[in-house]
Amino acid sequence: GESVGLHLPTLSVQEGDNSIINCAYSNSASDYFIWYKQESGKGPQFIIDIRSNMDKRQGQRVTVLLNKTVKHLSLQIAATQPGDSAVYFCAERSQGAGGTSYGKLTFGQGTILTVHP
Amino acid sequence: NAGVTQTPKFQVLKTGQSMTLQCAQDMNHEYMSWYRQDPGMGLRLIHYSVGAGITDQGEVPNGYNVSRSTTEDFPLRLLSAAPSQTSVYFCASSSEPLDRGYGEQYFGPGTRLTVT
Repeated sequence: GESVGLHLPTLSVQEGDNSIINCAYSNSASDYFIWYKQESGKGPQFIIDIRSNMDKRQGQRVTVLLNKTVKHLSLQIAATQPGDSAVYFCAERSQGAGGTSYGKLTFGQGTILTVHP
Repeated sequence: NAGVTQTPKFQVLKTGQSMTLQCAQDMNHEYMSWYRQDPGMGLRLIHYSVGAGITDQGEVPNGYNVSRSTTEDFPLRLLSAAPSQTSVYFCASSSEPLDRGYGEQYFGPGTRLTVT
């Protein structure tokens, strides 16, 4: 899972395997969560989101699981491909401060996924 | 659609210099944001805008100014560059505000800034 510090967690898998990337979030009041993929030298790319009233959501080859009891989020990638190699990070949304309606997103540092052919 | 574009891709500044990072989007999105990304830290929000003429501060606004004169453009100005502003800067846009739960922000490719 993600952690504070300069060294990101890493996950290495073989092509075709399933990957599970974990994220522990901090705010029990967060009501919306997003997973992003960031390839080297590029901006983050939205993968999938989930609201706090759900515990599972599926996309194409990806599934996000939410466990609010332990404040844990996971991203499962089925049949991982070399093109999936990237940094994956989660974000949690809480209400903005000072009465603003603009929610505050808090981003994790990420996990490096490497897929070997 | 070009999506979100940022210029320049790389920039080196000396301490005290000022510059503007450009951001443009062609998706007619109302909501635009600037983030910085530093090693060991997640993305942090600098400033954001909920429409032309409306901007507000994010988590780390000090040393930066923004304006939003058109829907398409959202430039970020560094007033007097400092080494602590060495970072990768990302601009993002979305069609819905985060508090409605539609968080699909589209990010630009980033500007890598070094301040010496």
